[in-house]
Amino acid sequence: DTEVTQTPKHLVMGMTNKKSLKCEQHMGHRAMYWYKQKAKKPPELMFVYSYEKLSINESVPSRFSPECPNSSLLNLHLHALQPEDSALYLCASSQGPPGANYGYTFGSGTRLTVV
Amino acid sequence: DQQVKQNSPSLSVQEGRISILNCDYTNSMFDYFLWYKKYPAEGPTFLISISSIKDKNEDGRFTVFLNKSAKHLSLHIVPSQPGDSAVYFCAASSGSSNTGKLIFGQGTTLQVKP
Repeated sequence: DTEVTQTPKHLVMGMTNKKSLKCEQHMGHRAMYWYKQKAKKPPELMFVYSYEKLSINESVPSRFSPECPNSSLLNLHLHALQPEDSALYLCASSQGPPGANYGYTFGSGTRLTVV
Repeated sequence: DQQVKQNSPSLSVQEGRISILNCDYTNSMFDYFLWYKKYPAEGPTFLISISSIKDKNEDGRFTVFLNKSAKHLSLHIVPSQPGDSAVYFCAASSGSSNTGKLIFGQGTTLQVKP
């Protein structure tokens, strides 16, 4: 299995909803990442987990809450989002610890629309 | 402050010819560079990478060249195929930062015409 699987592929949520994005990989990768990509913009890092511990939070608003239940799973809990949070949310994993210059494997993303 | 720049938003080439995508960076701490390809509604797919200790890396039709003094890298695709039509992102990281953070360029949309 050489994939990063993200669910759901599409999500529409209201500003008062609570939802979660899920990411799963079975490659034994020990670093996992959440990126956000707005239309016609490059992906921007949100969070880094290394060995199941949060190592980087790029000043992301608290309405985004990451969780890493085990080495294969990464969640992003969403609450009270704003329409400007609508974007493609990408999960990625890498073989080595962050900084070891391993290439990422990206999932296909979750297209989130906040109404 | 955009540390990785892809100044050409789009590029169109004929099938069979060479595609050259360019990328410039400003942070001299970057020591690892990657190219990703992205189709609409999909995540980026890793293509090829290069460490700052090298100036060239080749993988099949794809070759990446790194000019550290100019802080410039380029991706050559030879021969170009219609299936190569996609958005190409250049990305850079700094091993010394130990964050694993990739900084992406704005992307270049490549169209390969049959």
